[in-house]
Amino acid sequence: AQSVTQPDIHITVSEGASLELRCNYSYGATPYLFWYVQSPGQGLQLLLKYFSGDTLVQGIKGFEAEFKRSQSSFNLRKPSVHWSDAAEYFCAVVRGDDKIIFGKGTRLHILP
Amino acid sequence: GAVVSQHPSWVICKSGTSVKIECRSLDFQATTMFWYRQFPKQSLMLMATSNEGSKATYEQGVEKDKFLINHASLTLSTLTVTSAHPEDSSFYICSARIDSQETQYFGPGTRLLVL
Repeated sequence: AQSVTQPDIHITVSEGASLELRCNYSYGATPYLFWYVQSPGQGLQLLLKYFSGDTLVQGIKGFEAEFKRSQSSFNLRKPSVHWSDAAEYFCAVVRGDDKIIFGKGTRLHILP
Repeated sequence: GAVVSQHPSWVICKSGTSVKIECRSLDFQATTMFWYRQFPKQSLMLMATSNEGSKATYEQGVEKDKFLINHASLTLSTLTVTSAHPEDSSFYICSARIDSQETQYFGPGTRLLVL
């Protein structure tokens, strides 16, 4: 069965530092992968998605993610974080019946 | 584009009452809408898939008689929590998918508190 693992429950980085949030998936074929961000008490906003093609995907707010089939990973990166990036980040994959399943999320904390 | 709204954003009700939550796609037609439930500091759990003009399909463990879903049109789906109890208190989020695309667009969520 398809699954998504986000190994880090919490990540703390200093403002201006680089960021990488990890995501591993389990899926037999080429997966459809997403990263969403959720601010407290809000819905989810799509940061970026990978369906096929270039394995380095650019998203909104300066985020990017790289699909690595050999590692079954789709890690999210940002070269320099801002205080407003503090939020919960969810990696997600489309499962066989076209429904999205989410990882447990990684909460990002930003130090001033 | 691809904006999804939910109404209400907050609802407080007494135990035993029913609560209806609306999910609307504002600028696109959504053949399929999804309803999720999120407990504090947890991930989203898919409750059901709502298809316009047909019965919703529920995930395992979700009571279809308790969580009534109606997809009346291509832009509106409703979730009714019947005979709500305190354990139904949660954050309910809907999403809508544009036909032929895999991307889901999420509403802002509805926080339900059952007293």
